[in-house]
Formats: sequence, C-alpha cells, structure tokens
Amino acid sequence: DVKVTQSSRYLVKRTGEKVFLECVQDMDHENMFWYRQDPGLGLRLIYFSYDVKMKEKGDIPEGYSVSREKKERFSLILESASTNQTSMYLCALQRGDTDTQYFGPGTRLTVL
Amino acid sequence: RKEVEQDPGPFNVPEGATVAFNCTYSNSASQSFFWYRQDCRKEPKLLMSVYSSGNEDGRFTAQLNRASQYISLLIRDSKLSDSATYLCVVAGGGADGLTFGKGTHLIIQP
Repeated sequence: DVKVTQSSRYLVKRTGEKVFLECVQDMDHENMFWYRQDPGLGLRLIYFSYDVKMKEKGDIPEGYSVSREKKERFSLILESASTNQTSMYLCALQRGDTDTQYFGPGTRLTVL
Repeated sequence: RKEVEQDPGPFNVPEGATVAFNCTYSNSASQSFFWYRQDCRKEPKLLMSVYSSGNEDGRFTAQLNRASQYISLLIRDSKLSDSATYLCVVAGGGADGLTFGKGTHLIIQP
C-alpha cells in the first residue's frame, strides 16, 4: 500500500511567517509533486522533483520554494506567507516508470 | 496550454440510477488517462485508469475516444457512497506530470 504522509492536516499561520510543509513517502518513488487546490480552480502544480536535490517549477511557483535533500522527503516552503496562500496543499508521488500519482492526506493552511 | 474540461455539475441522481459524465482534453499527445475520486475535504484517490480498449471495474466503466479526445465514466446502480467529486486526469505530452480537470460533483440521493 502506498504511504504518503504530510506533516500537518490543519495549520494556521500569520502573514509574513515562514511556513514549512513536509511530505514523506516510504515507497522509494523518484517523483514527488506539490499542488494547491482551491474551489473553482482545481489542482494547480506548484513544484515537482524527479530526484534528490532536483526541482522544477510548476504552473504557479511564485511565493514558494522547495527542498529535496533526501529521496523520501519533499518540503514546500512559503518564505513569507500571505493571505492568498490560504489553500489546501497536496503532496503526490509517482513511480518513475508510470504516470499514476498517489496523494497524501493534504494540509489545509490558513494564513491570517 | 494543456486543458482538461469537465462539467462541474452537480449531478443529482437517485440511488440505483445509472450516471455518465465525460471530459475532454486538448493535448492530442496525451498518453495516459485516469479518473480520480475526491471526497469532501479529502485527497484525490485513484478510481481507475482508462485504456484505449475501455475498462470496467465492477459498477464503473471508463472509455477513451482518442479521435474526439474525450474520456467517459459510467456508474451503474449508483450507491449513496458514490457521492463525491470525480476528477478527470490526463498525462503525457509534457515533463510536468498530470493535468487535472476541475472535477464533476456527483450527489446520489436516497
């Protein structure tokens, strides 16, 4: 069974705070992704990574950065949180030889 | 720009009925196709992959029409537990993974 965990289910932060969202997998999959999901906008890709220390921008990378120091962990960083970053954040992983993605339970972030 | 379009619904369907919905995709180079199910405030979960020959999993049937670039999902004998949002997902033709539709909201009524 695919296991993807995210550090928090719910998080409340203040404007200007630095926020770390962690995603950990135990499947040894190469590819990891960060999305945000907002009503009416669907899932939008923020960043992805195909290997350790490797990162690629998705469709909406502005205001975010990522870190992948170990294969099993992919972190999303909000350098200075803003209210428009209030959203559901979903981490996903994908084996290198398939297109199927498996999602973590999500972190619902509120920025006040 | 790659696009996946779905009717957002909601589709209100009585329990036991058959319901079908489609999605269209714009990128003719797409290689893989999926339906995901998402319950309220939960993560998307893979429902089924969609193959060129069509595939069936119990009450669920998925079809792919490459010529017209659409994918369909048919649910027979619908149950209350089928109430969810169904996401159409397309892959391939690019290096950045999947393209998601915004979802079709299905409500099964007793």
